[in-house]
Amino acid sequence: QSALTQPASVSGSPGQSITISCTGTSSDVGSYNLVSWYQQHPGKAPKLMIYEGSKRPSGVSNRFSGSKSGNTASLTISGLQAEDEADYHCCSYAGSSTYVFGTGTKVTVL
Amino acid sequence: EVQLVQSGAEVKKPGESLKISCKGSGYSFTSYWIVWVRQMPGKGLEWMGTIYPGDSDTRYSPSFQGQVTISADKSISTAYLQWSSLKASDTAMYYCARGVNPDSSGWYYWGQGTLVTVSS
Repeated sequence: QSALTQPASVSGSPGQSITISCTGTSSDVGSYNLVSWYQQHPGKAPKLMIYEGSKRPSGVSNRFSGSKSGNTASLTISGLQAEDEADYHCCSYAGSSTYVFGTGTKVTVL
Repeated sequence: EVQLVQSGAEVKKPGESLKISCKGSGYSFTSYWIVWVRQMPGKGLEWMGTIYPGDSDTRYSPSFQGQVTISADKSISTAYLQWSSLKASDTAMYYCARGVNPDSSGWYYWGQGTLVTVSS
């Protein structure tokens, strides 16, 4: 059970859109629509941004959206804001009641 | 208000044992899976395992099976993560978390984290 692959870093200017990829295998991302995304600011606990592929929890901005194609899930942040600068982690169900996180992506707002 | 409150930071020596806790409140503790997540210094999140306090059904990541024990005491709404013999490589922040709803894998509620430092 290997970690899902995310780019180490992604950057964008305020107002732009960025997309973070999360690549797994046919045993995890590809088999289930159970990918979640977490935002984590330094020294803070993670915050759920997207779950079950594309659902937003209460209170999360609609600037955040999730999608999937094959073995790769994606998180898109539109209208990038300074407060979006953080680490982002994806997570997928991997079968047998287990889950696997991604390697994490640092988002920088230029 | 749903809350998960974790026990305080720990400093231990290699070979010592440790049990950290996660107390849930504001909801039916027995109806939601609790997960444990590790974050080593400067690294990403790692899913360690999960427990259903209602019947203590427990699942582990293959990476952590045999390395830690997850348990729960539903009478006091508390989940635990324990080690029998700590290693320096166990130094990390440990989080507990709960789903948005009983059958969801999106972990919406998180504890504040417990920092475990293992050093001789």
